[in-house]
Amino acid sequence: AQTVTQSQPEMSVQEAETVTLSCTYDTSESDYYLFWYKQPPSRQMILVIRQEAYKQQNATENRFSVNFQKAAKSFSLKISDSQLGDAAMYFCAYRSSSDQTGANNLFFGTGTRLTVIP
Amino acid sequence: KAGVTQTPRYLIKTRGQQVTLSCSPISGHRSVSWYQQTPGQGLQFLFEYFSETQRNKGNFPGRFSGRQFSNSRSEMNVSTLELGDSALYLCASSLVSGYEQYFGPGTRLTVT
Repeated sequence: AQTVTQSQPEMSVQEAETVTLSCTYDTSESDYYLFWYKQPPSRQMILVIRQEAYKQQNATENRFSVNFQKAAKSFSLKISDSQLGDAAMYFCAYRSSSDQTGANNLFFGTGTRLTVIP
Repeated sequence: KAGVTQTPRYLIKTRGQQVTLSCSPISGHRSVSWYQQTPGQGLQFLFEYFSETQRNKGNFPGRFSGRQFSNSRSEMNVSTLELGDSALYLCASSLVSGYEQYFGPGTRLTVT
């Protein structure tokens, strides 16, 4: 089974600074999707960014970007110009790209709690 | 478009009872997945429904079941509740199975 590891239970960043959250995963598949979800205190999971494994180019969404290293099975999230509203739990997630039954669920890491210091 | 809605938002039940949670997906989405979130086990996949059929099931006991209706709304049922079933239950919908999943606000279940 696929596993997703987030080794940083907590991180903090000064407002307007940059922070990087780490994620590694284990899989024998060559094609898959990776996601970062944000869960603020309201508990609503919000999709931040996605990356297709077949794409070499790193995904970017405004202040959020990823560093995808397929060989190293690493998928880190960089948040630039951090804002108070970025404070939340961040989850890294993996999904197979296979169309076979049983392949479409998300495997989540344990999360990183990000604190933004004013 | 309205997002994924889940009802009720909070629920308190007694051990041994059963409970039914409801999820209405984003309009046009046909796939609904359910996840359980606890402090100890994190986020774990329960099951996925697509076109009223269960496509995938996680490693949970048979006390956990679900169904999907023709309008794509889904329900999950937990019978003979145990204290360990206390959790946040999240529902996610996607256009079709395998597409990006969008989550609802969750149902917080407390079993006493």
